[in-house]
Amino acid sequence: AQSVAQPEDQVNVAEGNPLTVKCTYSVSGNPYLFWYVQYPNRGLQFLLKYITGDNLVKGSYGFEAEFNKSQTSFHLKKPSALVSDSALYFCAVRQSTRYKLSFGAGTTVTVRA
Amino acid sequence: GAVVSQHPSWVICKSGTSVKIECRSLDFQATTMFWYRQFPKQSLMLMATSNEGSKATYEQGVEKDKFLINHASLTLSTLTVTSAHPEDSSFYICSAQADSNAMNTEAFFGQGTRLTVV
Repeated sequence: AQSVAQPEDQVNVAEGNPLTVKCTYSVSGNPYLFWYVQYPNRGLQFLLKYITGDNLVKGSYGFEAEFNKSQTSFHLKKPSALVSDSALYFCAVRQSTRYKLSFGAGTTVTVRA
Repeated sequence: GAVVSQHPSWVICKSGTSVKIECRSLDFQATTMFWYRQFPKQSLMLMATSNEGSKATYEQGVEKDKFLINHASLTLSTLTVTSAHPEDSSFYICSAQADSNAMNTEAFFGQGTRLTVV
């Protein structure tokens, strides 16, 4: 079985401050991890993924994520948040022997000016 | 990234009628497409997995006779909500993947369809 947990329903930060969105996962075998962002009434946009290699993954719009195998985490980070980063963020995992994505519940990020 | 186009973006229909939603991969061939349903401020619920040229695989609890899925070509999958009722009102999202056997290929999503049944 595979699952993802996003422990925070909401994250609020001031513009210019660092942003972190937490994600932990549970899979058998090697995880394939993804972050997506969703704006209101829109589909999901791909931000970044971890497959193998460097634990720090850089993605779109200045986002990065750190894969931590011992803590089974894949937290999304941005050093300096923008108001336009306000959206719903989803972490997703795919178990190595399955191709269906399992999504976390989502975290709503609000960046205030 | 690859582009997935979903149409229509929104639709209002009368109870008892059927609605078809299209999902197209514009710049790649999608061997696998996925259909999701999303309730307000909730995560995506996978409804079914559609492989080109074969029958869709439905998730437990999803009525296959109500949500008809067709994946007749490598660039088009359709979801038809038959005999729609107000409880079918939701946001439906499709995603497409180029290689069904590639664990590391990210899925690309359509922009979603807001269905309202009145």
